[in-house]
Formats: sequence, C-alpha cells, structure tokens
Amino acid sequence: DTEVTQTPKHLVMGMTNKKSLKCEQHMGHRAMYWYKQKAKKPPELMFVYSYEKLSINESVPSRFSPECPNSSLLNLHLHALQPEDSALYLCASSQDDRGYEQYFGPGTRLTVT
Amino acid sequence: DAKTTQPPSMDCAEGRAANLPCNHSTISGNEYVYWYRQIHSQGPQYIIHGLKNNETNEMASLIITEDRKSSTLILPHATLRDTAVYYCIVRNQGAQKLVFGQGTRLTINP
Repeated sequence: DTEVTQTPKHLVMGMTNKKSLKCEQHMGHRAMYWYKQKAKKPPELMFVYSYEKLSINESVPSRFSPECPNSSLLNLHLHALQPEDSALYLCASSQDDRGYEQYFGPGTRLTVT
Repeated sequence: DAKTTQPPSMDCAEGRAANLPCNHSTISGNEYVYWYRQIHSQGPQYIIHGLKNNETNEMASLIITEDRKSSTLILPHATLRDTAVYYCIVRNQGAQKLVFGQGTRLTINP
C-alpha cells in the first residue's frame, strides 16, 4: 500500500470556524509533512514531523496547528483563518526525514469565506 | 540547496519521447537531482532521482551530464496521461526539505 489519504477532499469554512484536516498513511513511514499550494504555484513546505515530533515549522502562523497523534496519522487544525489561506493543502510521508522520496496525498482544497 | 532552472512550458506529441531539461549549475557534490510531477488537481508524484549516473525506472530515464550542471528527464513514449507539471529538485543527501521550483508544464498533444 503506497497510498496517502487525506480527508476531506474539499472544505469551505468561515473565518471564525475551527476545522481539522486529516492525513493517514500505512506504509510504516516515520516522517510526515504538510505543504500549502496556492493556485498555479509550487507546493510550499509548512511542517515536518519526524518520529511523531515536530522537527520543522516554516514560520507558519499559529492559526495553523499541526498534530501527529501516532506514526500513521497527521492532523492540521485550523482556527481563525483568513481568505488568503485558501489553497490546496497537501500531506506527504517518507521512510524518514533524511532524504527519502516523499509520497503525497491528493490534497484538501480549502476555501475560507 | 542548489537552484534549478526549467523552461516554463513544453509540448510533445503523443507517442514521442518527451525530453525535459533542467539546469543546476551550482549543484554540489553531495546533492541529488530529484524529479516529481503533478497532474492537475492531484498531489505531486515521485518519478526518479540520481546523483551522477544515469538512472532508469518504469516511469522514466534520468540523464545527468558529466559535470552534473544539468540533467534531462526522458519519458520514452509520452501519453496524454503524462500531461503535468514536472519539477526538477536538487536536494542535499539527508536533507529534510523538498523545495519545489516553478517546474515545466508539459502538454502531450494527440
């Protein structure tokens, strides 16, 4: 199984809402990633988790809160987002965080109204 | 990580070989060349990577010049499903990050 799954596929939320994005992999990978991709732009790294610990935060605003409850799951908690946060949010995983290829999920298309 | 330069767009006829160039003139000795692609509305997909030798897998071939300053990704028999944005990424051995550039939008025409 080389699949990374993400739910939901689409999410529309207001600026005062709290929502969460979920990512799951069953490849035994120990590194997981969140990326943000705006329209017609390349993906940009947000967070890296290695062995369930946050190892990289690319100066992401605190309204985005990642969580790694176990080695297979990665969540991204969203609170008080702005319309400019509307984007495709991609999750990825790799064997560990030291140079292995990353496997990406299909993404969650988020619209903030 | 070294910077890469790719043409913004390319066209190729279905059934022909698609050759996607990438310049990475500042690459250092322990940096690998990775290729990913992103089909519309999907997540990026790993294709291939190499250090200095040419590499081939079931998806593509990667040709790296002897001085390592450029490389070419070859899709031997392009199909319509190969239409995607192709990203060439130079990455330090053991690096945590994957930094995407602007990529090449490849369109396969029937």
